[in-house]
Amino acid sequence: NAGVTQTPKFQVLKTGQSMTLQCAQDMNHEYMSWYRQDPGMGLRLIHYSVGAGITDQGEVPNGYNVSRSTTEDFPLRLLSAAPSQTSVYFCASRRTLAHEQYFGPGTRLTVT
Amino acid sequence: AQSVTQPDIHITVSEGASLELRCNYSYGATPYLFWYVQSPGQGLQLLLKYFSGDTLVQGIKGFEAEFKRSQSSFNLRKPSVHWSDAAEYFCAVGKSNSGNTPLVFGKGTRLSVIA
Repeated sequence: NAGVTQTPKFQVLKTGQSMTLQCAQDMNHEYMSWYRQDPGMGLRLIHYSVGAGITDQGEVPNGYNVSRSTTEDFPLRLLSAAPSQTSVYFCASRRTLAHEQYFGPGTRLTVT
Repeated sequence: AQSVTQPDIHITVSEGASLELRCNYSYGATPYLFWYVQSPGQGLQLLLKYFSGDTLVQGIKGFEAEFKRSQSSFNLRKPSVHWSDAAEYFCAVGKSNSGNTPLVFGKGTRLSVIA
Protein backbone atom coordinates (compact mmCIF):
# COMPACT_ATOMS: atom_id res chain seq x y z
CA ASN A 1 0.00 0.00 0.00
CA ALA A 2 1.19 3.51 -0.81
CA GLY A 3 -0.95 4.87 2.03
CA VAL A 4 -1.95 8.53 1.66
CA THR A 5 -0.26 10.37 -1.19
CA GLN A 6 -0.29 14.09 -1.88
CA THR A 7 0.82 16.09 -4.90
CA PRO A 8 2.56 18.40 -5.37
CA LYS A 9 5.08 18.53 -2.52
CA PHE A 10 5.80 22.22 -3.09
CA GLN A 11 3.89 24.93 -4.93
CA VAL A 12 4.26 28.66 -5.40
CA LEU A 13 1.24 30.63 -6.57
CA LYS A 14 0.56 34.26 -7.30
CA THR A 15 -2.34 35.98 -5.58
CA GLY A 16 -5.57 35.27 -7.45
CA GLN A 17 -4.44 32.04 -9.10
CA SER A 18 -6.36 28.83 -8.56
CA MET A 19 -5.07 25.33 -8.12
CA THR A 20 -5.95 21.87 -6.87
CA LEU A 21 -4.04 19.93 -4.25
CA GLN A 22 -4.37 16.24 -4.91
CA CYS A 23 -4.88 13.58 -2.25
CA ALA A 24 -5.35 9.86 -2.75
CA GLN A 25 -5.44 6.82 -0.50
CA ASP A 26 -5.38 3.15 -1.40
CA MET A 27 -6.60 1.74 1.92
CA ASN A 28 -10.34 1.91 1.14
CA HIS A 29 -10.87 4.39 3.98
CA GLU A 30 -14.24 6.09 4.26
CA TYR A 31 -13.07 9.13 6.23
CA MET A 32 -10.79 11.72 4.66
CA SER A 33 -9.81 15.16 5.88
CA TRP A 34 -7.79 18.21 4.89
CA TYR A 35 -5.83 20.18 7.47
CA ARG A 36 -3.61 23.21 7.28
CA GLN A 37 -0.67 23.68 9.61
CA ASP A 38 0.65 27.10 10.55
CA PRO A 39 3.28 27.93 13.19
CA GLY A 40 1.75 28.05 16.67
CA MET A 41 -1.71 27.11 15.37
CA GLY A 42 -1.44 23.34 15.26
CA LEU A 43 -3.55 21.53 12.69
CA ARG A 44 -6.79 23.18 11.68
CA LEU A 45 -9.45 21.26 9.82
CA ILE A 46 -10.48 22.71 6.46
CA HIS A 47 -12.95 20.17 5.05
CA TYR A 48 -13.70 16.53 5.61
CA SER A 49 -15.61 13.67 4.04
CA VAL A 50 -17.29 10.63 5.55
CA GLY A 51 -17.69 8.85 2.22
CA ALA A 52 -17.99 9.31 -1.52
CA GLY A 53 -20.39 12.13 -2.32
CA ILE A 54 -20.44 13.47 1.27
CA THR A 55 -18.37 16.43 2.42
CA ASP A 56 -18.61 18.94 5.22
CA GLN A 57 -16.86 22.06 6.41
CA GLY A 58 -14.30 22.16 9.15
CA GLU A 59 -12.92 25.02 11.20
CA VAL A 60 -11.40 27.10 8.37
CA PRO A 61 -13.24 26.35 5.10
CA ASN A 62 -13.31 29.79 3.50
CA GLY A 63 -11.45 29.99 0.20
CA TYR A 64 -11.38 26.22 -0.29
CA ASN A 65 -13.61 23.73 -2.08
CA VAL A 66 -13.65 19.94 -1.97
CA SER A 67 -15.46 17.10 -3.66
CA ARG A 68 -15.39 13.34 -3.16
CA SER A 69 -16.44 11.51 -6.29
CA THR A 70 -14.58 8.31 -5.39
CA THR A 71 -13.51 6.64 -2.15
CA GLU A 72 -9.85 7.02 -3.13
CA ASP A 73 -9.56 10.70 -4.03
CA PHE A 74 -10.22 13.89 -2.10
CA PRO A 75 -8.87 16.97 -3.94
CA LEU A 76 -8.71 20.41 -2.32
CA ARG A 77 -9.29 23.40 -4.56
CA LEU A 78 -8.08 26.91 -3.89
CA LEU A 79 -10.44 29.18 -5.77
CA SER A 80 -8.44 32.43 -5.72
CA ALA A 81 -5.21 32.13 -3.79
CA ALA A 82 -4.40 34.69 -1.10
CA PRO A 83 -1.18 35.21 0.90
CA SER A 84 -3.11 34.08 4.01
CA GLN A 85 -3.32 30.62 2.44
CA THR A 86 0.44 30.20 2.61
CA SER A 87 0.70 27.08 4.76
CA VAL A 88 1.50 23.38 4.85
CA TYR A 89 -1.47 21.26 3.87
CA PHE A 90 -2.01 17.71 5.10
CA CYS A 91 -4.49 15.18 3.86
CA ALA A 92 -5.50 12.33 6.16
CA SER A 93 -7.68 9.25 6.06
CA ARG A 94 -9.00 6.60 8.44
CA ARG A 95 -11.15 3.52 8.15
CA THR A 96 -13.70 4.36 10.80
CA LEU A 97 -13.98 6.53 13.87
CA ALA A 98 -12.29 3.85 15.98
CA HIS A 99 -9.16 3.59 13.87
CA GLU A 100 -6.02 5.65 13.63
CA GLN A 101 -5.76 8.46 11.14
CA TYR A 102 -3.03 8.23 8.51
CA PHE A 103 -1.43 11.38 7.16
CA GLY A 104 0.07 12.23 3.82
CA PRO A 105 3.52 13.84 3.58
CA GLY A 106 2.10 17.33 3.11
CA THR A 107 2.12 20.07 0.48
CA ARG A 108 3.99 23.29 1.21
CA LEU A 109 2.16 26.14 -0.49
CA THR A 110 3.45 29.68 -0.81
CA VAL A 111 1.23 32.46 -2.17
CA THR A 112 3.02 35.64 -3.20
CA ALA B 1 -17.74 20.24 20.52
CA GLN B 2 -14.65 18.52 21.78
CA SER B 3 -11.43 20.47 22.30
CA VAL B 4 -7.82 19.77 23.20
CA THR B 5 -5.35 21.87 25.18
CA GLN B 6 -1.62 21.34 25.22
CA PRO B 7 -0.45 23.84 27.85
CA ASP B 8 3.25 23.72 26.98
CA ILE B 9 4.28 25.32 23.70
CA HIS B 10 7.95 24.38 24.03
CA ILE B 11 9.82 22.05 26.38
CA THR B 12 13.56 21.48 26.63
CA VAL B 13 14.95 18.38 28.33
CA SER B 14 18.39 16.87 28.67
CA GLU B 15 19.16 13.64 26.89
CA GLY B 16 18.49 10.75 29.27
CA ALA B 17 16.04 12.71 31.39
CA SER B 18 12.40 11.77 31.76
CA LEU B 19 9.68 13.52 29.80
CA GLU B 20 6.02 14.30 30.36
CA LEU B 21 3.93 16.21 27.82
CA ARG B 22 0.55 17.39 29.00
CA CYS B 23 -2.76 17.07 27.19
CA ASN B 24 -6.18 18.05 28.50
CA TYR B 25 -9.38 17.50 26.60
CA SER B 26 -12.96 18.62 26.82
CA TYR B 27 -15.61 16.07 25.91
CA GLY B 28 -18.67 14.80 27.73
CA ALA B 29 -18.27 11.08 27.10
CA THR B 30 -15.27 8.78 26.93
CA PRO B 31 -13.17 10.07 24.06
CA TYR B 32 -10.84 8.44 21.63
CA LEU B 33 -7.38 9.87 22.33
CA PHE B 34 -4.23 9.96 20.23
CA TRP B 35 -0.68 11.22 20.35
CA TYR B 36 1.13 12.00 17.09
CA VAL B 37 4.73 13.05 16.49
CA GLN B 38 6.01 15.23 13.67
CA SER B 39 9.71 15.45 12.90
CA PRO B 40 10.89 18.60 11.10
CA GLY B 41 9.66 18.71 7.51
CA GLN B 42 7.77 15.45 7.88
CA GLY B 43 4.17 14.31 8.17
CA LEU B 44 2.53 13.07 11.34
CA GLN B 45 3.14 9.61 12.77
CA LEU B 46 0.93 7.92 15.35
CA LEU B 47 2.69 7.24 18.66
CA LEU B 48 -0.19 5.65 20.53
CA LYS B 49 -3.96 5.65 20.96
CA TYR B 50 -6.58 5.05 23.61
CA PHE B 51 -10.06 3.77 22.84
CA SER B 52 -11.09 1.82 25.95
CA GLY B 53 -9.83 -0.63 28.54
CA ASP B 54 -6.48 -0.28 30.29
CA THR B 55 -5.88 3.39 30.95
CA LEU B 56 -2.10 3.07 30.53
CA VAL B 57 -1.25 2.58 26.89
CA GLN B 58 2.10 1.75 25.37
CA GLY B 59 3.23 3.15 22.07
CA ILE B 60 6.15 3.11 19.72
CA LYS B 61 9.63 4.46 20.48
CA GLY B 62 9.26 3.77 24.22
CA PHE B 63 6.41 6.23 24.80
CA GLU B 64 3.41 5.63 27.02
CA ALA B 65 0.36 7.67 27.98
CA GLU B 66 -2.17 7.46 30.77
CA PHE B 67 -5.85 8.32 30.43
CA LYS B 68 -7.20 9.96 33.58
CA ARG B 69 -10.92 10.54 33.32
CA SER B 70 -11.12 12.51 36.58
CA GLN B 71 -8.57 15.01 35.27
CA SER B 72 -9.64 14.91 31.60
CA SER B 73 -6.02 14.29 30.76
CA PHE B 74 -3.96 12.06 28.50
CA ASN B 75 -0.34 12.89 29.29
CA LEU B 76 2.51 11.42 27.26
CA ARG B 77 5.58 10.09 29.06
CA LYS B 78 8.97 8.64 28.30
CA PRO B 79 11.43 7.55 31.01
CA SER B 80 14.61 8.44 29.12
CA VAL B 81 14.66 10.87 26.21
CA HIS B 82 16.94 10.39 23.20
CA TRP B 83 18.19 13.19 20.96
CA SER B 84 16.13 11.73 18.13
CA ASP B 85 12.94 12.47 20.10
CA ALA B 86 13.29 16.16 19.30
CA ALA B 87 10.12 16.91 17.35
CA GLU B 88 6.65 18.39 17.67
CA TYR B 89 4.02 16.38 19.48
CA PHE B 90 0.29 16.65 18.96
CA CYS B 91 -2.53 15.34 21.10
CA ALA B 92 -5.86 14.66 19.36
CA VAL B 93 -9.35 13.73 20.50
CA GLY B 94 -12.22 12.07 18.70
CA LYS B 95 -15.80 11.53 19.73
CA SER B 96 -16.63 7.96 20.64
CA ASN B 97 -20.36 8.31 20.03
CA SER B 98 -20.46 10.15 16.74
CA GLY B 99 -19.62 8.65 13.38
CA ASN B 100 -19.25 11.89 11.50
CA THR B 101 -16.88 13.94 13.59
CA PRO B 102 -13.23 14.30 12.61
CA LEU B 103 -10.34 14.46 15.05
CA VAL B 104 -9.55 17.70 16.80
CA PHE B 105 -5.88 18.46 17.42
CA GLY B 106 -4.11 20.50 20.04
CA LYS B 107 -1.71 23.23 19.00
CA GLY B 108 1.29 21.03 19.68
CA THR B 109 4.30 20.96 22.01
CA ARG B 110 7.76 21.38 20.54
CA LEU B 111 10.37 19.23 22.28
CA SER B 112 14.03 20.18 22.21
CA VAL B 113 16.67 17.79 23.54
CA ILE B 114 20.02 19.06 24.77
CA ALA B 115 23.17 17.08 25.49
